[in-house]
Amino acid sequence: EVQLVESGGALVQPGGSLRVSCATSGFSFGTYWMTWVRQAPGKGLEWVANINQHESDKNYADSVKGRFTISRDNSKNSLFLHMNSLRAEDTAVYYCARQPSAWYSFDYWGQGTLVTVSS
Amino acid sequence: ETVLTQSPGTLSFSPGERATLSCRASQTVDSSFLAWYQQKPGQAPRLLMYRASSRATGIPDRFSGSGSGTDFTLTISRLEPEDFAVYYCQLFGSSPTFTFGPGTKVDI
Repeated sequence: EVQLVESGGALVQPGGSLRVSCATSGFSFGTYWMTWVRQAPGKGLEWVANINQHESDKNYADSVKGRFTISRDNSKNSLFLHMNSLRAEDTAVYYCARQPSAWYSFDYWGQGTLVTVSS
Repeated sequence: ETVLTQSPGTLSFSPGERATLSCRASQTVDSSFLAWYQQKPGQAPRLLMYRASSRATGIPDRFSGSGSGTDFTLTISRLEPEDFAVYYCQLFGSSPTFTFGPGTKVDI
């Protein structure tokens, strides 16, 4: 069974940093692109970043470019999102999702982890 | 950047009715890059359709997708009580990035 479990969400002050993680199981993690999508409270979905199998290709939404870094550890079947210079508008539930290469979509999602940026 | 529009924001139906949801792109897109998701309150999104018309694993055949160019449609042939949710379309763009539509809530 494919499983994705996010962790690391917390209350952070504006300007602070945080790393959220996604532990995966039930599939060959190292053969998939992976992505982060977020959802602000009561709002729609916003794609944040994705990464290819070997970390050689990373893409970011303009809203997080230069502040967030996506990474992965294939030996631990884990995905990460390092977030710096956090702003109130980064407050959201952060989901990790699996991205089959030729589907241009996200077929399995975690349950999400809440990041709140507030003083 | 291509913008996705889903209107109206809310549609009201009764169980057993047919629902047709619209997703319009601001410019012509490749249908291979268009997907649909369902999200229920407190849950993660679930992939329904990819490549505009291919059903994801485990999705009932009452869900179907169609469209090309700038206009795409998700159809639920006969609404079940569990289908009342928010539906998002999503596009893979040339940046390369992904864009979601604002969503349509299917309400009773």
